[in-house]
Amino acid sequence: RKEVEQDPGPFNVPEGATVAFNCTYSNSASQSFFWYRQDCRKEPKLLMSVYSSGNEDGRFTAQLNRASQYISLLIRDSKLSDSATYLCVVRMDSSYKLIFGSGTRLLVRP
Amino acid sequence: EPEVTQTPSHQVTQMGQEVILRCVPISNHLYFYWYRQILGQKVEFLVSFYNNEISEKSEIFDDQFSVERPDGSNFTLKIRSTKLEDSAMYFCASIPVMNTEAFFGQGTRLTVV
Repeated sequence: RKEVEQDPGPFNVPEGATVAFNCTYSNSASQSFFWYRQDCRKEPKLLMSVYSSGNEDGRFTAQLNRASQYISLLIRDSKLSDSATYLCVVRMDSSYKLIFGSGTRLLVRP
Repeated sequence: EPEVTQTPSHQVTQMGQEVILRCVPISNHLYFYWYRQILGQKVEFLVSFYNNEISEKSEIFDDQFSVERPDGSNFTLKIRSTKLEDSAMYFCASIPVMNTEAFFGQGTRLTVV
């Protein structure tokens, strides 16, 4: 089983749509969780950290379910500029490294 | 806003040659990383570095790879004898303390011919 698993997509949605991405992780010792965004041939950039109680940042909402080892990202009112690959990232307890999922590609069309 | 900088942005090298990729992490950060991304694939961890030594490394980081922080600011990745399969985007990252988000440099695209 992959350490961090994501649906590769692509998700093709119209502007203004709400879209949700899911991610599962295999190691219950995972401690820290993040969503990064990556544009084509660019570096990953932090979108938001994911907290146990769930958190929201403008149009973006992240949820964590430790029992199911599941993380989600909800994007409301999609913009053209949201088109990118969204990377689910986890860090295990007592480890230095970030483990990346393969990413989910989002295409927002006019 | 402080950022991680990497040089060069693109390097083309012949198979078997040595390459050195350079990174300047954010100045007050303590943990440093190298990741790579082969075109169309996921971001893969190579190595982490803390307190002037390797703290963790992946299976990819074999004897052909080495890292150092020669002068307290630069953080370098050396590949001794490049192979075609080393062609990838190499990202440097740094974090100030454990369990915070990593800040990535813009990457060096390495092409081995």
